[in-house]
Amino acid sequence: KQEVTQIPAALSVPEGENLVLNCSFTDSAIYNLQWFRQDPGKGLTSLLLIQSSQREQTSGRLNASLDKSSGRSTLYIAASQPGDSATYLCAVKTGANNLFFGTGTRLTVIP
Amino acid sequence: NAGVMQNPRHLVRRRGQEARLRCSPMKGHSHVYWYRQLPEEGLKFMVYLQKENIIDESGMPKERFSAEFPKEGPSILRIQQVVRGDSAAYFCASSHTGTGAPQPQHFGDGTRLSIL
Repeated sequence: KQEVTQIPAALSVPEGENLVLNCSFTDSAIYNLQWFRQDPGKGLTSLLLIQSSQREQTSGRLNASLDKSSGRSTLYIAASQPGDSATYLCAVKTGANNLFFGTGTRLTVIP
Repeated sequence: NAGVMQNPRHLVRRRGQEARLRCSPMKGHSHVYWYRQLPEEGLKFMVYLQKENIIDESGMPKERFSAEFPKEGPSILRIQQVVRGDSAAYFCASSHTGTGAPQPQHFGDGTRLSIL
């Protein structure tokens, strides 16, 4: 059964710092991996989607990498801003029809 | 240019009542997924539907929960005889039909269900 783990569970950084969020998954037979952002009381906003054949995806200050064989992904946020404060969720899609989610990393960027 | 629309945003029910949660997928999407997020936990898959068909309900509790996606109208997640443990945020996602690589799922803002 697929299990997704995110470390750390919470992270506080001063504004301007670069940071890395980690995601690991137990079954490497995935179709893709998505990183989401969730603000308190809100839904999920898709940030980046990496297909299983890809190694990384970039969008603005965000860069996500995927190492399928080792079951790992990282989300790199450059020059963090207070507006980046949110919970970041990693999810993988396997042969099943659904996404398997990690429990998230709660990020606080301190002005 | 509406995304996935869920209503109500907040729903309060007393134990034993029924809860109905609605989800209208993005325009052109005919795949709908329901997830549940319990307090301090990650999202867990419940059910996957296409128009008029339940494709995968492996994450759905066996009793009291049901889902439908009729030919016309929104998808409905129905919880009968609610209990306190049903309190959670329920999210709906939709994706586009098509072949090739699985399509990304787009999420609604969720329905927060509180059971008194």
